[in-house]
Formats: sequence, C-alpha cells, structure tokens
Amino acid sequence: DVKVTQSSRYLVKRTGEKVFLECVQDMDHENMFWYRQDPGLGLRLIYFSYDVKMKEKGDIPEGYSVSREKKERFSLILESASTNQTSMYLCASSPTIYYEQYFGPGTRLTVT
Amino acid sequence: AQTVTQSQPEMSVQEAETVTLSCTYDTSESDYYLFWYKQPPSRQMILVIRQEAYKQQNATENRFSVNFQKAAKSFSLKISDSQLGDAAMYFCASSRDDKIIFGKGTRLHILP
Repeated sequence: DVKVTQSSRYLVKRTGEKVFLECVQDMDHENMFWYRQDPGLGLRLIYFSYDVKMKEKGDIPEGYSVSREKKERFSLILESASTNQTSMYLCASSPTIYYEQYFGPGTRLTVT
Repeated sequence: AQTVTQSQPEMSVQEAETVTLSCTYDTSESDYYLFWYKQPPSRQMILVIRQEAYKQQNATENRFSVNFQKAAKSFSLKISDSQLGDAAMYFCASSRDDKIIFGKGTRLHILP
C-alpha cells in the first residue's frame, strides 16, 4: 500500500516562528502536493512538485515556500508564521497528475 | 478560473437508503479527469471514484457510482445502500492542466 506520512499530526507555533512541515511518500511517486484545508473553503493548493528540485506555485503560495531535495520528501516551510496560517495542512503524492492522489493524515497547525 | 462547485454543504441520509451528491465543474480543456474523494472524521482522504472525461460510460465502484453529464458539466456521486461508515466529507475534484481543483466539500451524515 502507498503510504504518505507527515511529520506531525498537531503542531502549535508562535507568530513569527519558522515552521517546517515534512511529508514523505514511499511509492516513488513523481508528483507531490501541499494543500491547506479550511472549513467552507475545501482544499486549496499551496505548492506542488513534479520532480526533485522542481516546484510550482499553486493557488495560494503567499507566505509559504517548499523544498524537494529527494524524490520521497517534500517539505512545506512557513518562513514567519502568522495567525492566518492556522489550518489543516495535507500532503499528497501521485504517479501522474491524472491518477489518484494519495494523502497523508494531515497536520493541524495552530499559530498563536 | 476553473471552478468546482458542490452546492450542498451538508446532507443526511437514512442508513440503507440512496443519496446523491451534486457537483458541477467548469473547464475549457477537452480531455480531463474527475474525482470524488472521501475524508472520514479524523482519517485520511481516500479516492472513491475516478472518471475520464472521454469515456461515455459512468464509473462505478461497488455501491458508489457517478452520473457524468459532460455537456452539462455535471458529475454527481450516488451512494447506494448507505452505511454508517459512509459518513464523511466528500470532495469533488477536476483536473486542470497539471493540477487538481477541489470543491468545497459536502458533509454526509448517515442516520441509523
């Protein structure tokens, strides 16, 4: 079975802190994605990557950056966390864009 | 901008009954893919069903089936013989270029 893991289920950070959210997949997938999920807004794409060291902005990249140094790992970085970044963050991977996306369990981030 | 609209934020259905979740989408692409994902409470998002737009036949997966109306850009999900385990958020999604666009979700309650 495909497994996508995220480094933390719950995280509490202070405003202005640098935050790293890690995502690892074990199926050698080319594509990886970071979404944020907010009530009433669904899933919104922050960044995605279709290859190592490649990244593309999604619909809401402001305030975020990403890193993909190895194929299996895709990190989301909040350079200076703000309260409006309190949200559920979901990572996903897929072999191609048109195939099923496999999701991690999510990280619920609270910025105080 | 490409959109996916789920007009029912919440729905309820009696156990063993049939329920249909609505989804409309907007795309200018000639070939695209449509998806329904399920997110059970506190559990990972999983794919329920996938439809390739060039295929006329509606996709089915056990108790789950879709009604794909390409001209109307409609992609509804029918759940037959609803079970308590079907209680979840359901997200409709559409491919766009090299990304997936999600709707805002429908929360489905199953009444025992």
